[in-house]
Amino acid sequence: EVQLVESGGGLVQPGGSLRLACAASGFTFSGYWMSWVRQAPGKGLEWVANINQAGSATYSVDSVKGRFTISRDNAKNLLFLQMNSLRGEDTAVYYCARWATAWDSWGQGTQVTVSS
Amino acid sequence: EVVLTQSPATLSLSPGERATLSCRASQTISSQLAWYQQKRGQAPRLLIYDASRRATGIPARFSGSGSGTDFTLTISSLEPEDFAVYYCQQRNNWPQTFGQGTKVEIK
Repeated sequence: EVQLVESGGGLVQPGGSLRLACAASGFTFSGYWMSWVRQAPGKGLEWVANINQAGSATYSVDSVKGRFTISRDNAKNLLFLQMNSLRGEDTAVYYCARWATAWDSWGQGTQVTVSS
Repeated sequence: EVVLTQSPATLSLSPGERATLSCRASQTISSQLAWYQQKRGQAPRLLIYDASRRATGIPARFSGSGSGTDFTLTISSLEPEDFAVYYCQQRNNWPQTFGQGTKVEIK
């Protein structure tokens, strides 16, 4: 069974940093693109970042470029999102998701709240 | 950026009725569209990919159709567990984008 379990969310002040992690199991992690997708309170879904199987190519939405970095550790089956210079509009539930033509498996999400 | 417009925003139906949800793209996206279901407090679940292909384990009452700019998700006969929010999402153009969602509620 595919499992994705996020961790690392919390309350942070504007301008602060957080590092999210996603532990993957039940599939060959190194064989898939992986993504982070977020959902602001009461809002819809927004793609944040993608990373290829080897970790050699990454893509992110313009609103987080230069502030967020996606990475992975295939030896430990872990996906990361380093978030710096956080803003109020980054407040959301952050989901880790597996990409295979579509996002076919999702974690339960981790809440990130940016507030003073 | 491709804008996906979903309609209606809310659909009020009774169990057993047919639900028809629409997703319109601001430019052609071939058949590179997916549909997701999200229940309150839960992660999204993939229903349909490539416009009409059911994901693993998805019941046959869910079907997708369309290509180009106009797409439809149909639930042939609503079950109690189908009342949720549904999102469409395209992968034809970067960045991948979602529609704003259609809420299917119990009438």
